[in-house]
Amino acid sequence: NAGVTQTPKFQVLKTGQSMTLQCAQDMNHNSMYWYRQDPGMGLRLIYYSASEGTTDKGEVPNGYNVSRLNKREFSLRLESAAPSQTSVYFCASSGGGQGLQETQYFGPGTRLLVL
Amino acid sequence: GEDVEQSLFLSVREGDSSVINCTYTDSSSTYLYWYKQEPGAGLQLLTYIFSNMDMKQDQRLTVLLNKKDKHLSLRIADTQTGDSAIYFCAESGYSSASKIIFGSGTRLSIRP
Repeated sequence: NAGVTQTPKFQVLKTGQSMTLQCAQDMNHNSMYWYRQDPGMGLRLIYYSASEGTTDKGEVPNGYNVSRLNKREFSLRLESAAPSQTSVYFCASSGGGQGLQETQYFGPGTRLLVL
Repeated sequence: GEDVEQSLFLSVREGDSSVINCTYTDSSSTYLYWYKQEPGAGLQLLTYIFSNMDMKQDQRLTVLLNKKDKHLSLRIADTQTGDSAIYFCAESGYSSASKIIFGSGTRLSIRP
C-alpha cells in the first residue's frame, strides 16, 4: 500500500513549456486534489475531483488543467508554464471509508521551477 | 469566505511544551485537523477533532477546541528535536466533497 504517489519529484521548465504532473492513489478514495504550496501562503487548492468523472476548480485554477483518468489517477497539466507557477505541488486524496471521511492523505510533492 | 489563521513561527526549548494556536472563521466547520510537514515531505495527518468535542488527547498531543471563539490549539508535551516541522491547522465541513481549508502553517523550531 503505497498511499499517494507523485511523479516527477522535481522538474525544471522554461517559460512556455508544457508538462503534466502525475498522481496516483491506491486507497480506493473517491476524492482527489491538487494543491500548490508557496512560502508563507500555506496550501492553495488548484483543482479537485469529488469522484471519478468529475472535476471542479479550486481557489487558483488559472493556468492549469486536470484530468481524472480513473479512480486511481488524477493529473495536473501546465499548458504554458510561467515563472509564477514555480511552486511545490501536492496531490491528495480522501474518502476511504475509514471513519475520517474528510481526512486527506498527501503525496510527497513535486518541486517545479519555471525559468 | 472561509479563512484559517496561524502565527508563522514558534521557538521552544527542548523538553518544554509547545502550544500552536489557530483561529478559523467558518462556523459550520465539522472537522478540524492538525497536519505536520517535515522538511522535503508532504503533509501528514497528526490528529483531528470533531466540532462537537472540546478536547482530544493522544499521547504527547492535546487538541483544545473553543467553538464559541473559533479557536483551536495543539499542545505538544515534552517537545523533542523530532518535532521540528511546519504544523498546519485545517478545517472542513461534513460533505464528502468538502474542501479542506488550510492555514499558512506554523514553523516550530526547537532550541537546546
